[in-house]
Amino acid sequence: GENVEQHPSTLSVQEGDSAVIKCTYSDSASNYFPWYKQELGKRPQLIIDIRSNVGEKKDQRIAVTLNKTAKHFSLHITETQPEDSAVYFCAASRASGGSNYKLTFGKGTLLTVNP
Amino acid sequence: GAGVSQSPSNKVTEKGKDVELRCDPISGHTALYWYRQSLGQGLEFLIYFQGNSAPDKSGLPSDRFSAERTGGSVSTLTIQRTQQEDSAVYLCASSSLQEQYFGPGTRLTVT
Repeated sequence: GENVEQHPSTLSVQEGDSAVIKCTYSDSASNYFPWYKQELGKRPQLIIDIRSNVGEKKDQRIAVTLNKTAKHFSLHITETQPEDSAVYFCAASRASGGSNYKLTFGKGTLLTVNP
Repeated sequence: GAGVSQSPSNKVTEKGKDVELRCDPISGHTALYWYRQSLGQGLEFLIYFQGNSAPDKSGLPSDRFSAERTGGSVSTLTIQRTQQEDSAVYLCASSSLQEQYFGPGTRLTVT
């Protein structure tokens, strides 16, 4: 089955700096890579996702890059703010024909943005 | 519209008792997932329902855990003879395509 590794497990940055979280996956058939943000005591929420037919996607201060050959993808947060502090999870799955497949999650990265 | 809901929000039970956790997915979502999250840990996949297909039970940690989904909507996760190591937050999610929407979770404490 799919295996997703996520690094680092914790990341501390100063407000305004950039943060990068990296994930690798094992199943070359995986084609969908979402990132979830979980604030303390809250439920995980999707913040951005990328499919295997593109190499990069941006949404304001966040971006995700995908390297299919190397089987890794990364989350980039620029101009970090204290409200970006949370646990971030990467995930991978494969789907076809509109069907759903289960996500395999990384173990999460605790990001702390220091004011 | 209404999101995924779960009940109860908190459950304290004695070791050895059975518990039932409920998930109400978003209406029309064909897929439903259960995860377990221990304190400060990641999301551990438990079970996955997709339409009328047989559920993927590959993540259930033991035969004390079971789940059903009635009428393609509401799901119940049952833990029999609870153990202290079952203490965790149990999260449910549903999806219609690939994005999963999570419920608020049930915090289970086994004393």
